[in-house]
Amino acid sequence: AQKITQTQPGMFVQEKEAVTLDCTYDTSDPSYGLFWYKQPSSGEMIFLIYQGSYDQQNATEGRYSLNFQKARKSANLVISASQLGDSAMYFCAMREWFSQGGSEKLVFGKGTKLTVNP
Amino acid sequence: DAGVIQSPRHEVTEMGQEVTLRCKPISGHDYLFWYRQTMMRGLELLIYFNNNVPIDDSGMPEDRFSAKMPNASFSTLKIQPSEPRDSAVYFCASSLGDTTNEKLFFGSGTQLSVL
Repeated sequence: AQKITQTQPGMFVQEKEAVTLDCTYDTSDPSYGLFWYKQPSSGEMIFLIYQGSYDQQNATEGRYSLNFQKARKSANLVISASQLGDSAMYFCAMREWFSQGGSEKLVFGKGTKLTVNP
Repeated sequence: DAGVIQSPRHEVTEMGQEVTLRCKPISGHDYLFWYRQTMMRGLELLIYFNNNVPIDDSGMPEDRFSAKMPNASFSTLKIQPSEPRDSAVYFCASSLGDTTNEKLFFGSGTQLSVL
């Protein structure tokens, strides 16, 4: 089974509007971390935001916020006031902690391509 | 502080040739990861190191792939012999620790084309 599911291969948004990129995850471990990365056309992977499984509040970083719904196992990224420079691929990822010892690797979803229209 | 540095940025080679990709992690980071990105399979973890020791190489596709980390500031990923299906972007990433809140810092990637 896929650990991270991003169901939207592509999304379009008008400049200055908000957009939500979906991410659901699958884990039976109580301790895990959720991440969002941005990959612009230049190719680099840029860290955007992090949410811990025990965090009570939704994470926010500037125009980025994470809508964390633990019971539904979803961690959607919300980008407010979209800008043309937000056009990129966006990846959701999860890192689990196994009680047997050591952290697991960071597993990525397939990504969502966001296009911001002027 | 300089980020993760990968070289070369682009590599074009012919099938059967040996390819070596290089990575310098962020100083002080104990974990180093090699990922491969393709359209079909997305981002896949190939191998990761902790304090220069390989911890999990279950993602390495086959014996043609090998990775080493001779010291804390240098790692290589070698493909010998290379095949066209190895064409992909290879990313190196490093992190300070292995707890669930440790984010990975990625290099710019190496675009590999095997003809």
